[in-house]
Amino acid sequence: DTGVSQDPRHKITKRGQNVTFRCDPISEHNRLYWYRQTLGQGPEFLTYFQNEAQLEKSRLLSDRFSAERPKGSFSTLEIQRTEQGDSAMYLCASSNMGGSDHNEQFFGPGTRLTVL
Amino acid sequence: AQKVTQAQTEISVVEKEDVTLDCVYETRDTTYYLFWYKQPPSGELVFLIRRNSFDEQNEISGRYSWNFQKSTSSFNFTITASQVVDSAVYFCALSLNNAGNMLTFGGGTRLMVKP
Repeated sequence: DTGVSQDPRHKITKRGQNVTFRCDPISEHNRLYWYRQTLGQGPEFLTYFQNEAQLEKSRLLSDRFSAERPKGSFSTLEIQRTEQGDSAMYLCASSNMGGSDHNEQFFGPGTRLTVL
Repeated sequence: AQKVTQAQTEISVVEKEDVTLDCVYETRDTTYYLFWYKQPPSGELVFLIRRNSFDEQNEISGRYSWNFQKSTSSFNFTITASQVVDSAVYFCALSLNNAGNMLTFGGGTRLMVKP
């Protein structure tokens, strides 16, 4: 199965530490998205890439957050100086911008971050 | 700005009952797309359906059916003869034609199907 994969699945860190998550999209998909989901809420959009270009960033993405997709394949999301409010599930999704501009997004299993 | 509201935070039914999950959306755009996703206890979001704003035809897929009504800005989801495996959180979502496909999700409805 070549679905969206994310690593690690769980991360526990102390406040103030930096963390980095990785997402590997479905191989032929050119769009990659990051969402954040807190307990009991729906996912919230953070940012997306089309190939290697980061085209949109949510206001939720503070200066402590940075995302990259250097070769248009996998992506990383880094959080610097983590805060307890960063504790959440970080979801990655990918889609293929083909003939229809709204092909469905396929989601990975997520990375659950706990900041102590 | 767009918004999706799922007023039912939690629904509990007994197996074999029919259940309808409500979704109401807000947008000023005339071209948009509506989605339903299922999030089982394992956590991974599973795509169920996509609908565009120009297609109000209702859709049926096995025990699942969707009712899209632009007049009331609603996109409701019905599960017929529910099963325990249907227990999950269900999310309705909206994306616009000019916004990079980013999804705006509702708060979700937790469905519990009891045997």
